[in-house]
Amino acid sequence: GAGVSQSPSNKVTEKGKDVELRCDPISGHTALYWYRQSLGQGLEFLIYFQGNSAPDKSGLPSDRFSAERTGGSVSTLTIQRTQQEDSAVYLCASSLRLGPNTEAFFGQGTRLTVV
Amino acid sequence: SQKIEQNSEALNIQEGKTATLTCNYTNYSPAYLQWYRQDPGRGPVFLLLIRENEKEKRKERLKVTFDTTLKQSLFHITASQPADSATYLCALGGGGSYIPTFGRGTSLIVHP
Repeated sequence: GAGVSQSPSNKVTEKGKDVELRCDPISGHTALYWYRQSLGQGLEFLIYFQGNSAPDKSGLPSDRFSAERTGGSVSTLTIQRTQQEDSAVYLCASSLRLGPNTEAFFGQGTRLTVV
Repeated sequence: SQKIEQNSEALNIQEGKTATLTCNYTNYSPAYLQWYRQDPGRGPVFLLLIRENEKEKRKERLKVTFDTTLKQSLFHITASQPADSATYLCALGGGGSYIPTFGRGTSLIVHP
């Protein structure tokens, strides 16, 4: 596609429910990143993928969070048993490769509200 | 621990003036630094990248400097316009990690 696409753009869920957030990166981009941005806060790094592999999951806030990427393309971030503190904008980005000189292209984000 | 600091207070300037935003970092030796622009309700958009061995980088009305001794980057927008109003984020990478680490951003408001 022309850019990074995230769905849904908005999600309201009840506390305790599971949610799945989807990211379609730019075609051909091997690196994919998930960040979380709370109101007035910076981007909190969650996890990255190089191809389908996620070498470092230490950025995930708790074991309720998981992510996968299939076919070197689409990624899904799953939050189980959502809590109110999970409310934030979840941003996905992709880059041509993992490396120091590559820019990240961001999607528009998924605004998650846990009520 | 690594820390990236950007002024949390909004920068208000008049149209036509030069806006200067600051990004300071500690406990970090980045190989590169990036600047992004973020508009409300949108994801960040890449603007410029500068490497550790570069002192200055320019793109149209934008200029970025990178001082690894001071551990500081300055981001300048010359002849600012109201359309430049947005939040500007700096991101550092390298030094063992290729994952961009972002500052909180500084809001720029350009008044007509």
